[in-house]
Amino acid sequence: DSGVTQTPKHLITATGQRVTLRCSPRSGDLSVYWYQQSLDQGLQFLIQYYNGEERAKGNILERFSAQQFPDLHSELNLSSLELGDSALYFCASSAGGMSAFFGQGTRLTVV
Amino acid sequence: AQSVAQPEDQVNVAEGNPLTVKCTYSVSGNPYLFWYVQYPNRGLQFLLKYITGDNLVKGSYGFEAEFNKSQTSFHLKKPSALVSDSALYFCAVRRSGNTPLVFGKGTRLSVIA
Repeated sequence: DSGVTQTPKHLITATGQRVTLRCSPRSGDLSVYWYQQSLDQGLQFLIQYYNGEERAKGNILERFSAQQFPDLHSELNLSSLELGDSALYFCASSAGGMSAFFGQGTRLTVV
Repeated sequence: AQSVAQPEDQVNVAEGNPLTVKCTYSVSGNPYLFWYVQYPNRGLQFLLKYITGDNLVKGSYGFEAEFNKSQTSFHLKKPSALVSDSALYFCAVRRSGNTPLVFGKGTRLSVIA
């Protein structure tokens, strides 16, 4: 158990809908990272938050947004969903920037 | 910008034989290097990291990796493979302490009994 919790584990939704993925980092970790894993694109970095502030942005679509709350949990919001957004979405957390620990992921299926 | 290359999509090895999963990286400055393993329907599990110091780092489950600065490589090794080592392995690099990890595309390891 990495100590990083992601909910829900599975999500099936229709095109055009909006979903929210939730991540609780390890206790004390200030950094939260979001990654998307798809078969053809591998692990793509989406966005990083550090202590509530956006720290780095990767290949995140404008339809996607994230935030980190005062209790350090983070949410990734995906809107106007398309079939191509179907993927595994991972959250990771780290303290002091060394090893990052990953949650079990949320498998999103857009139908 | 940093990048990681894992030149082999698939590595097959017989149980009991040594295994190597290759990784080369590109990053400005000193690299922070990592290996992760992903089992089916699971998240990524941290195996080991190189930050500084001894070029040979030891990690979980008997894995080790050798940092080679001149060849910009960080190959994952294990002296004797187990069937249970079959999984997807990812090499990753970060430029400094609090920056995102950049991953390779992954190498699927298959250990055959």
